[in-house]
Amino acid sequence: AQTVTQSQPEMSVQEAETVTLSCTYDTSESNYYLFWYKQPPSRQMILVIRQEAYKQQNATENRFSVNFQKAAKSFSLKISDSQLGDTAMYFCAFMNLGAQKLVFGQGTRLTINP
Amino acid sequence: GAVVSQHPSRVICKSGTSVKIECRSLDFQATTMFWYRQFPKQSLMLMATSNEGSKATYEQGVEKDKFLINHASLTLSTLTVTSAHPEDSSFYICSANPAGAPTSAEQYFGPGTRLTVT
Repeated sequence: AQTVTQSQPEMSVQEAETVTLSCTYDTSESNYYLFWYKQPPSRQMILVIRQEAYKQQNATENRFSVNFQKAAKSFSLKISDSQLGDTAMYFCAFMNLGAQKLVFGQGTRLTINP
Repeated sequence: GAVVSQHPSRVICKSGTSVKIECRSLDFQATTMFWYRQFPKQSLMLMATSNEGSKATYEQGVEKDKFLINHASLTLSTLTVTSAHPEDSSFYICSANPAGAPTSAEQYFGPGTRLTVT
């Protein structure tokens, strides 16, 4: 079974700083997808960024980018120029190709301070 | 963007009663919907996969007779918690994949339902 591990339960940075959230996963599959989801205090899950395992190029969405290291099974999220609205729980998630089922990590609570 | 709604957003019920939670895809059809459970300050745990027109697929350890799932149409899935007990109190979230979308397509999440059993 796949597992996803987020080793940082909480992080806190100042507004405008850059922050990196860590995620490692365990799988024997070669084709899969990785996601970062954001859950603000409203508890609405929001997709931040997605990475296909077969793509070597790291995904980027505006201020959000990932460092995908397939051999190391690592998938970190970098948030640049952090904003107060980035304060939320961040979940790393794994999906097998064809399975549609998401496996979530434990989450990292990120606080952006003014 | 695609919208998924859940009703009710909050519900309080007495121990021993049953409660139904609805998950609707408002502007797309979904052959597959997913039900998650989230305890306070914890992650989302997949309970079951709801398939339109067929039986739901439950994850290991989830009691299918307690958590009844019905996916009656391409826009509606329901989760019924039967004979609820205080330990069933939790935040329940559904998500949906648009019909015909690639497997890797984004899952759209509902806003969640907070169930409290007294």
